Amino acid sequence: EPEVTQTPSHQVTQMGQEVILRCVPISNHLYFYWYRQILGQKVEFLVSFYNNEISEKSEIFDDQFSVERPDGSNFTLKIRSTKLEDSAMYFCASRWGQANEKLFFGSGTQLSVL
Amino acid sequence: AQSMTQPDIHITVSEGASLELRCNYSYGATPYLFWYVQSPGQGLQLLLKYFSGDTLVQGIKGFEAEFKRSQSSFNLRKPSVHWSDAAEYFCAVGAIETGANNLFFGTGTRLTVIP
Repeated sequence: EPEVTQTPSHQVTQMGQEVILRCVPISNHLYFYWYRQILGQKVEFLVSFYNNEISEKSEIFDDQFSVERPDGSNFTLKIRSTKLEDSAMYFCASRWGQANEKLFFGSGTQLSVL
Repeated sequence: AQSMTQPDIHITVSEGASLELRCNYSYGATPYLFWYVQSPGQGLQLLLKYFSGDTLVQGIKGFEAEFKRSQSSFNLRKPSVHWSDAAEYFCAVGAIETGANNLFFGTGTRLTVIP
């Protein structure tokens, strides 16, 4: 089965630093997503991306967050100035179409902000 | 707004026993419903989904779930649990009007399987 790949698997950063989390979605997919899961809490939707623009975002996704698909294969999440509360597991996901198509998740990047 | 409730944080069952994981949704119309499983160090894997039609849906690994509108429930079941089923299980709901473009997850139920 095809896979969504995320790198790195673990990222440690200092508070206030910028981080970029990288994802390689499945090659023919059109819809891309970032979710996060703070330890012991729900998996939360951050943002969806389609046709090179954000299609939907949650309240969590404020001005400190941005997403980009720089080269047609990678899909990145940038946090400009990390805060302690940004520490979480970040999941990238992709699917070919909407709704009734299967959403494929990557194995996540564990971000620790010190 | 959509939300999912998983009342059981942790469930322990014996291998070979039956399993039912509870999930209740809050949504104003007919929802898109999902069950995902997360093994340690792994991403979320889709077990099954319900969009419409038959309210009993079959998934992978021998799992099934039944959509009960009257109870706003979408419980996951398996007749005989295997040790490899030990994992975290999440139900999720997506809004039809957004094409389930974003999913709302429950807090998860951790399943422990004892020999």
